[in-house]
Amino acid sequence: EAQVTQNPRYLITVTGKKLTVTCSQNMNHEYMSWYRQDPGLGLRQIYYSMNVEVTDKGDVPEGYKVSRKEKRNFPLILESPSPNQTSLYFCATGPAGQGLSYEQYFGPGTRLTVT
Amino acid sequence: GQQLNQSPQSMFIQEGEDVSMNCTSSSIFNTWLWYKQDPGEGPVLLIALYKAGELTSNGRLTAQFGITRKDSFLNISASIPSDVGIYFCAGRGVGLYNNNDMRFGAGTRLTVKP
Repeated sequence: EAQVTQNPRYLITVTGKKLTVTCSQNMNHEYMSWYRQDPGLGLRQIYYSMNVEVTDKGDVPEGYKVSRKEKRNFPLILESPSPNQTSLYFCATGPAGQGLSYEQYFGPGTRLTVT
Repeated sequence: GQQLNQSPQSMFIQEGEDVSMNCTSSSIFNTWLWYKQDPGEGPVLLIALYKAGELTSNGRLTAQFGITRKDSFLNISASIPSDVGIYFCAGRGVGLYNNNDMRFGAGTRLTVKP
């Protein structure tokens, strides 16, 4: 079954404590991306990756890091979380290459609370 | 960056009614996508549009890529209770900005009364 998996699904943490949210896909997609969803703002792209070892900033990259060492995994790292990073986070994947389709498939979401 | 304006923000309709929502951009987009999000889940792709003027249907859903490339609309005909959710438009722009990043509208929250 085609899947995008995120872990954890829920996390409550404190300011400054480093955390990682993992994203894994089994669809052999080149393109992977992270979004945050906040009320009234829709989805905003944090970082994306066109392929292994290729990452780029999205709309709101400040305070986040990513890595793409393997095709199937795209972890989101918050080195020093702050309360304004409390949000619902989604990982998305999609095929890429010539004739990019941009048809992204989203994970189930990770609800993060930073106190 | 390029902004997407999605309207209306919310809609309350009676089962069986048709629904229309739209998205506009201050800049040209070369891809428009429409997603639906159910509570507690990630967005699911409904329709993808790749050419100006393109009109595409998916069951009771129809979406169009505006000929100016700055807008798109989504219509839902004969709404049913399971149409409830948040609908998002998304687009990929061109020009001065990085072509690979996606922008989303703020969403239209649809409520369907039986």
